Parts: sequence; structure tokens; C-alpha cells
Amino acid sequence: DTGVSQDPRHKITKRGQNVTFRCDPISEHNRLYWYRQTLGQGPEFLTYFQNEAQLEKSRLLSDRFSAERPKGSFSTLEIQRTEQGDSAMYLCASSLAREGQETQYFGPGTRLLVL
Amino acid sequence: AQSVAQPEDQVNVAEGNPLTVKCTYSVSGNPYLFWYVQYPNRGLQFLLKYITGDNLVKGSYGFEAEFNKSQTSFHLKKPSALVSDSALYFCAVRDPPFGGYIPTFGRGTSLIVHP
Repeated sequence: DTGVSQDPRHKITKRGQNVTFRCDPISEHNRLYWYRQTLGQGPEFLTYFQNEAQLEKSRLLSDRFSAERPKGSFSTLEIQRTEQGDSAMYLCASSLAREGQETQYFGPGTRLLVL
Repeated sequence: AQSVAQPEDQVNVAEGNPLTVKCTYSVSGNPYLFWYVQYPNRGLQFLLKYITGDNLVKGSYGFEAEFNKSQTSFHLKKPSALVSDSALYFCAVRDPPFGGYIPTFGRGTSLIVHP
């Protein structure tokens, strides 16, 4: 399977714990995006990388959230001191930077439940 | 600022009938428009996009969409619906160069195809 993969697919944690999610993009894609999706809503942008560089972060991304893409391949999203409001589906997408033509391809998502 | 609206939370159609899922947008420049489909507990799958050229865009699974600049719309259509088309459909817009590389997604429309 050469699509975007995410791990884990489901995560249940207790409030206050830290969680980390991983995303492996399509291999030749140099852009990687993280989104959050709650019930009844479309994906909301969190942050994106071009290669290793984190180029943009949403105001939704509080200080408890951090994302990395250390070698320009896979990425991790960490949430520290989780809160019940963090419960959501976390989606990763990747694209190839080709001016005006890029399409984002999404992974299956990680569903987080904070108890 | 870029924005997109999906005015219907739910669309019901009988199998074999044509379907339309509506999307309207607002941008400062010329839009890039996208449709995605999401099945339960899955990520988003790309269906089609409009960047430039013909106003009628054909995509995956027999779907097509018509770009209408005067009405600022990009409705998704299919001539004959299948029960397996039942899913959540998301419209997204980018407004290059004003909006950067990040699309804005609508809230989604639930399509239910009845046997």
C-alpha cells in the first residue's frame, strides 16, 4: 500500500496523559499536513511541513501540541496533558509541491478519546 | 479570506436517480476547488478538483462537478446513484495566492442513497 498511513488508528487515554501519533506520507510527497476533525465538522487545519520545515501553524494549535518531521519523511504529532476537548479524529495528509496542481491525499486518521 | 459552504447537512436520493451535493465558495482570486468523500471511521478520499480549464470536471466513481463562476458554486453530481455512494462529502477551496497552501473545508453533507 503506497498511500498515507497513520498509527495508531485508535487511542484511548486518560486526561492529563501525553499521546503521540505518527504519520507516514506517500514517499515522494514533500508536504505533510495535520488536521483535526470533530463530529459534524470538516477537517480543521493544524499545521504543515514542507520537507523538515514547519511552515505554518494554526491558532488552534495550543502550546500543548507539537509536531515534528525530523528527516522530511514521517511526522509525529504530540499532545501533552490531554484534555477531554482534545477528543477528535486527527488526520494527516500529504501532497507533492507542484505549483497550482497539488492535491492532498489523506490517511485513515487516528481517533483519540480522552476520558 | 477563503470560505466554503455546504448548505445541506443531508441529501436523500433513491438508487438509480441522479444526485447533486451543493457547494458554494467565497474567494478573493480564482479558486482551486476540491471534493472529497469520507466513509465511516476513515480518512478523506479525493474525488476530483477544479484548477482551470473546462467547467465540467470528471472524477472518480462516476462523479463530476460543475464550476460556475457567476454563481460561485461547485456542485457535485452523479447521473445514477448507488447505495454504496452513501457517505459524507466534503467540498474544499483554496484561494491562491491569498490563502496559501491550506484549503478550507466545508462542514460536509451526508448523502444517503435508499435502495
